Parts: sequence; C-alpha cells; structure tokens
Amino acid sequence: NAGVMQNPRHLVRRRGQEARLRCSPMKGHSHVYWYRQLPEEGLKFMVYLQKENIIDESGMPKERFSAEFPKEGPSILRIQQVVRGDSAAYFCASSPDGTSSGNTIYFGEGSWLTVV
Amino acid sequence: SQQGEEDPQALSIQEGENATMNCSYKTSINNLQWYRQNSGRGLVHLILIRSNEREKHSGRLRVTLDTSKKSSSLLITASRAADTASYFCATTGGFKTIFGAGTRLFVKA
Repeated sequence: NAGVMQNPRHLVRRRGQEARLRCSPMKGHSHVYWYRQLPEEGLKFMVYLQKENIIDESGMPKERFSAEFPKEGPSILRIQQVVRGDSAAYFCASSPDGTSSGNTIYFGEGSWLTVV
Repeated sequence: SQQGEEDPQALSIQEGENATMNCSYKTSINNLQWYRQNSGRGLVHLILIRSNEREKHSGRLRVTLDTSKKSSSLLITASRAADTASYFCATTGGFKTIFGAGTRLFVKA
C-alpha cells in the first residue's frame, strides 16, 4: 500500500525558473494538502484541494504560486519565477475525507527545493 | 490564529529518561495530533486525540488533552536514542490542520 508519493525529492532551480512539484495521494484519498517548511521551522499550510477543486488557498502567496488537482493524475504545486526565498521543503499530505471529519492526514517525504 | 505552539523548543535528555513536550493552541478544535519528523524526512503520524478525549496511549507514548486550557502534552517514556527527532502538534478545527513550530528532542545514548 503505497503512501503519499512526492517527486522530485530534490530540485534545484535558478532564480527566475519554474518549479513543479508533484504529489500522488494515497490510494483512495481524494483530499490533498500542501505545506511549506522553512529550515528549522514548522509546517505552514498553503492549500487544500479536492479533485478539480481548490477548497482553501489561504496560505498560498498571492503571486507566482498555483496548485491544481486534476481529475486524472497527481496534484501539482507550481512556482513560477522562483526566488531564493522559495527555497524550502514542500510537503504534500492526503486524507480520505476532509479533516473536519476528524481524519488523520498522511504525509509524503517532501520535495526539497533549492533556488540558486 | 489556531496554530499550536510547542514548548520547550528544544529538549536534551539521557537515554532511559522520560521526555515531555507541551502544546498550546488558541481556538476550538475537532482533534489534535502529534507528528514526528526525522531530519530531512517527512512527517510520521504518532497519535490523534479527539476533542472529547482526555488521554490516549500508544506504546511508549502518552498524550493528554485539556480543552479548557487549550493544551496538550506528549510524554515519551523510557526514551531511546532513536527517538531523537522533531515533534509537532497539529490542530484541526475545520478544513485545515495547523502545525506548531515543533520541539527538537535529542536523546543522548
């Protein structure tokens, strides 16, 4: 039973390039969450998606960041024109139903983005 | 903000001792969870306690929840060097699960 799969695990981008991070939720999970973790800090909520819908994007920066969870395929977190401050670990999590139902969310191993 | 806040920020103990970490939060919640993160890795779910529960056990872990004080504690008994990690509490009060900054636990062999 595969867990939450994220790729790439490590990504290096030059300033101004685009970064695409992918997340495949656990089998049977239709709810996906993205979090960002800066070094030595906790996880900051970015966005919550269900299939084809963004439910809550209150943690997403207003510019350059976008997320999608299409009907088919993985969820994508896209960062355009990356800057050094975007360097962080980006974690994806999934759950079978929304967390308001009291479900645990399960995390992937993260994607470490380094902007040089 | 609903965010949990852990204390202490860092904790160093000897193997065999107990480790206690605390978490406080600000708004009403459905449940509270504790996660563990080894350096450079993802988060591993440890235990979930619902808002109507007061205490929960899992192996060497004991979690308490006091909703009147909006606080929780995680106790790790008989600690091992392999318990060295960061521990986060996470509160859920709706769509989002919000994490605190974590407690960094170092267990010396």
